[in-house]
Amino acid sequence: RKEVEQDPGPFNVPEGATVAFNCTYSNSASQSFFWYRQDCRKEPKLLMSVYSSGNEDGRFTAQLNRASQYISLLIRDSKLSDSATYLCVVTVSGGYNKLIFGAGTRLAVHP
Amino acid sequence: DVKVTQSSRYLVKRTGEKVFLECVQDMDHENMFWYRQDPGLGLRLIYFSYDVKMKEKGDIPEGYSVSREKKERFSLILESASTNQTSMYLCASSLGTGVAETQYFGPGTRLLVL
Repeated sequence: RKEVEQDPGPFNVPEGATVAFNCTYSNSASQSFFWYRQDCRKEPKLLMSVYSSGNEDGRFTAQLNRASQYISLLIRDSKLSDSATYLCVVTVSGGYNKLIFGAGTRLAVHP
Repeated sequence: DVKVTQSSRYLVKRTGEKVFLECVQDMDHENMFWYRQDPGLGLRLIYFSYDVKMKEKGDIPEGYSVSREKKERFSLILESASTNQTSMYLCASSLGTGVAETQYFGPGTRLLVL
């Protein structure tokens, strides 16, 4: 079983739609959680951290459920520029900052 | 702005060749990382370094080695390239070792081994 699992998609949605991505992780000792965004043929970049209480950044809302080992990302009012692959990332403390990446969920927003 | 640069965007090498991938960061970060990214597998950590001349194995170190002679530079070496090392290689750096530290990635090197 992969340590971080995501639905690969693609999710094809029209502009203005609301779309949600889910992610599950297997290590209950995971400490920090993130969503990274990766545009086609580009490097991953941090989109947002995910906090236990849930957090929002504009049109993006991230939620964490530690009991179920589940993370979500909600994008409201999708824009064409949101088209990218979204990577779920967790960290496990082991003496260094080890990031464990999901394989990513691809989002395609169309006019 | 943090800047992480990699020496090549695309490389084509032959089986058995020695391959050097260079990474440079300009933010005086302590930690540097090398990943490979393959479809359906996500990013996997090859090696990382938390200080000059220090290195630690990641999850898939076999067939690779690294060098960190200067704080800003971290090199990945394929001693004898093989076709299964065809991949996208991403370098990253972070300021510290805290679990909440952001990693900043370079643009990646697409390596094709024939």
